[in-house]
Amino acid sequence: AQKITQTQPGMFVQEKEAVTLDCTYDTSDQSYGLFWYKQPSSGEMIFLIYQGSYDEQNATEGRYSLNFQKARKSANLVISASQLGDSAMYFCAMREVSGYSTLTFGKGTMLLVSP
Amino acid sequence: DTEVTQTPKHLVMGMTNKKSLKCEQHMGHRAMYWYKQKAKKPPELMFVYSYEKLSINESVPSRFSPECPNSSLLNLHLHALQPEDSALYLCASSHQHQETQYFGPGTRLLVL
Repeated sequence: AQKITQTQPGMFVQEKEAVTLDCTYDTSDQSYGLFWYKQPSSGEMIFLIYQGSYDEQNATEGRYSLNFQKARKSANLVISASQLGDSAMYFCAMREVSGYSTLTFGKGTMLLVSP
Repeated sequence: DTEVTQTPKHLVMGMTNKKSLKCEQHMGHRAMYWYKQKAKKPPELMFVYSYEKLSINESVPSRFSPECPNSSLLNLHLHALQPEDSALYLCASSHQHQETQYFGPGTRLLVL
């Protein structure tokens, strides 16, 4: 079973609009971390935002916020005021404390921002 | 500063060649990682070094040989690769094994 599910292969948004990228996860651990990374066509994976399973507040970093709904096991990324430079692949990832504690990535969502 | 550098940016090699990929970070991170990423797929973990010791090898073929000469440097030695090994190779580091990973720009490898 997939541990991280990103159901949107591609998303389109107009510049200056907000967009939500979906991510659901599956774990039996009580302690885990959720991450979002951005990968432009250049290839570099850019860390955007982190949410710990015990964090009570949703994480925010500038224009990025993470809508964390623990009971639903969802960790959606919200990008406010989209910019052309936001066009990229976005990966949701989870790190569980048990086992190897390595990152498990979703399949990614390609975001295209149009003028 | 969250910079991880990787060289070379691009590499073309034949199946009989020996080459090395290099990754460097000066953030004092003690965990370093190699990932392989095929087009339109998420990264796949290959190796994890923690405190300069190999802690995870995800059943990677022996034609890939990692090396961690010191806490700042991680190499990936390549020998007798196959065309299907063509991919983007990403290096990452984190302060400790379980913490946020910061990635380098990657090396695009083409095996002919």
